[in-house]
Amino acid sequence: DAGVIQSPRHEVTEMGQEVTLRCKPISGHNSLFWYRQTMMRGLELLIYFNNNVPIDDSGMPEDRFSAKMPNASFSTLKIQPSEPRDSAVYFCASSLSAGIWGPTNEKLFFGSGTQLSVL
Amino acid sequence: GQQVMQIPQYQHVQEGEDFTTYCNSSTTLSNIQWYKQRPGGHPVFLIQLVKSGEVKKQKRLTFQFGEAKKNSSLHITATQTTDVGTYFCAGQENNDMRFGAGTRLTVKP
Repeated sequence: DAGVIQSPRHEVTEMGQEVTLRCKPISGHNSLFWYRQTMMRGLELLIYFNNNVPIDDSGMPEDRFSAKMPNASFSTLKIQPSEPRDSAVYFCASSLSAGIWGPTNEKLFFGSGTQLSVL
Repeated sequence: GQQVMQIPQYQHVQEGEDFTTYCNSSTTLSNIQWYKQRPGGHPVFLIQLVKSGEVKKQKRLTFQFGEAKKNSSLHITATQTTDVGTYFCAGQENNDMRFGAGTRLTVKP
C-alpha cells in the first residue's frame, strides 16, 4: 500500500495567488482529514469527510479556504487568495470510520504533508 | 469544548535517561491515541488506549490511560537517539478528536 499521497511536497507562492493542495487517501478508507501544523498552533483539524461528504468544517479558518472530495480517492484543499499567515505544513490523513459522525476508534494515517510558504 | 493539554513542551535528555510526557483532558475521553512525528516527518500512529486504567507496552515505551479517562502518559525507558521527535496525544470525545500540542524530545548521545 502506498499510503496517503499528498502533492505537492513543497509550494512557494506569492500573496494573493490561489493554492491547491491534493490528497489521495489509502484505498478503502472512508474518512479523510485535512490538518494544518504550525509552531504556534500545533496540529489543527481543518475539515473532515466521511464517505466523501464534509462532516465538520468548523476548523476552516475563513472563506478563503475550501475543500472538496469529488470521489473516494481524491481530495483538494484550496486557498484563494493566499496570505503569508497561511504558511504552514498541511497534512492529509485517512482512516476507516464506522459511522458518519467523524473520528472513531480508528487510527489516522498521515500523508507526508505539503510545506506551504506564502511570500 | 474539549481541551487536551500536553506537557512538557520540550524535553532534552541524555541518552539512556528516561522520558515521560503527559496529557490531560478537560473532559472524559472515549479513547486516546499517541503519535510520533520525527523531525521533518509526519505523525505516525503508535497506540490507542480505550479502557479506564489501561496500560500498554511497546518495547521501551509504556502507555497509560487514567482511571477517570481524563489523562494519559507515555514513558520511554532508557532513551535512544532514535527516539527523537515530537510525541502527540490525541484525545477523542464523541465525534471530536483533538491533538495535544506535543512534546518535543531531543536526545544527546
